[in-house]
Amino acid sequence: SQKIEQNSEALNIQEGKTATLTCNYTNYSPAYLQWYRQDPGRGPVFLLLIRENEKEKRKERLKVTFDTTLKQSLFHITASQPADSATYLCAPLYSSASKIIFGSGTRLSIRP
Amino acid sequence: GAVVSQHPSWVICKSGTSVKIECRSLDFQATTMFWYRQFPKQSLMLMATSNEGSKATYEQGVEKDKFLINHASLTLSTLTVTSAHPEDSSFYICSAREALTGLYGYTFGSGTRLTVV
Repeated sequence: SQKIEQNSEALNIQEGKTATLTCNYTNYSPAYLQWYRQDPGRGPVFLLLIRENEKEKRKERLKVTFDTTLKQSLFHITASQPADSATYLCAPLYSSASKIIFGSGTRLSIRP
Repeated sequence: GAVVSQHPSWVICKSGTSVKIECRSLDFQATTMFWYRQFPKQSLMLMATSNEGSKATYEQGVEKDKFLINHASLTLSTLTVTSAHPEDSSFYICSAREALTGLYGYTFGSGTRLTVV
């Protein structure tokens, strides 16, 4: 069965540095890959979606890459701020009508 | 943007009773809604997919007779936890997909914290 793994359970980064989070999947490549942010006690909030045929997608300080050869997506936050501290979840979609199965999530902490 | 309202935000109930959680799409029609459960320090686990006007599709290992899902209209899905027990205590979250914008992200409710005592 398909597995989605996010590189680490927790990541601590100094403010101002670039945070890089990894999402790896096994077997077949999803048509789309979404990234969400979740704060404690809240539902996830959609951040970015990247399509299988796109190498990179940017939104303000966020950048997502999708490498189907490596079966991996990277999520970058540049010029990180303490307010970026949250859990980040990747979610592959195998079609536009798919249900979302989340990865395990990475808890990101940005220290001042 | 799309908004999903989930109610109640928290509930405490006695063991053996049933609890209903509502999920409403406020400004769009959602033919499909999803229900998740999240235990502390874990990721969201999909429980079931709710389709308007038809039976829900449950994930493997989820008891459909215990977690009753009703998607009676294009803006409302409900999850009823029947005969709740302490092990059902969890954070329940719904999400909805607008038909035309599903590719732009699914919208999630703010979650319901269920505590069974």
